[in-house]
Amino acid sequence: EADIYQTPRYLVIGTGKKITLECSQTMGHDKMYWYQQDPGMELHLIHYSYGVNSTEKGDLSSESTVSRIRTEHFPLTLESARPSHTSQYLCASSEKRQGPTDTQYFGPGTRLTVL
Amino acid sequence: GENVEQHPSTLSVQEGDSAVIKCTYSDSASNYFPWYKQELGKRPQLIIDIRSNVGEKKDQRIAVTLNKTAKHFSLHITETQPEDSAVYFCAATSGFQKLVFGTGTRLLVSP
Repeated sequence: EADIYQTPRYLVIGTGKKITLECSQTMGHDKMYWYQQDPGMELHLIHYSYGVNSTEKGDLSSESTVSRIRTEHFPLTLESARPSHTSQYLCASSEKRQGPTDTQYFGPGTRLTVL
Repeated sequence: GENVEQHPSTLSVQEGDSAVIKCTYSDSASNYFPWYKQELGKRPQLIIDIRSNVGEKKDQRIAVTLNKTAKHFSLHITETQPEDSAVYFCAATSGFQKLVFGTGTRLLVSP
């Protein structure tokens, strides 16, 4: 079934650890996004990609980095996690086409807690 | 850049009543306005969207209206049911195919 997958779903780690949040989609989409969301609060765009080898920073400053080596895969990395990184991270994807934006579909999210 | 304001932040209604959530945006170039519903602990899911070339769109109990001149758009839910309880987010395009989200409205429908 075409979907967006995120792993892990929950992660509790200590300060200073390096972590990678995985996001994969089988939707055949070109564009992918990472959002940060505190529970029930607004979504903030932190990274996006229009295709392979394309990555851009979003509107919210983030100490994380991303890569896009394969169309279906868009991992997010924190080199040294801090308690301020505690949040939910949502991955999304959409089709690439000219004209108005296509619908963004979200993954189930990774809830990160940094102690 | 785009700024999206959403009101109210919380909305409590009785089952069967109507609910209206309003959003305003700042970028006159915005041309796509989706609405997402997020239930507790789940991912945001698109419930309806509207593009700038139409003024209204309806899907069963849900409708969205767009006023481009005033730069605001609204979500209307009729005959609300307890399962409509969730956080609702509006969004508007910013630049080439990015979305800026509103701050969310927590809707509570009481039986």
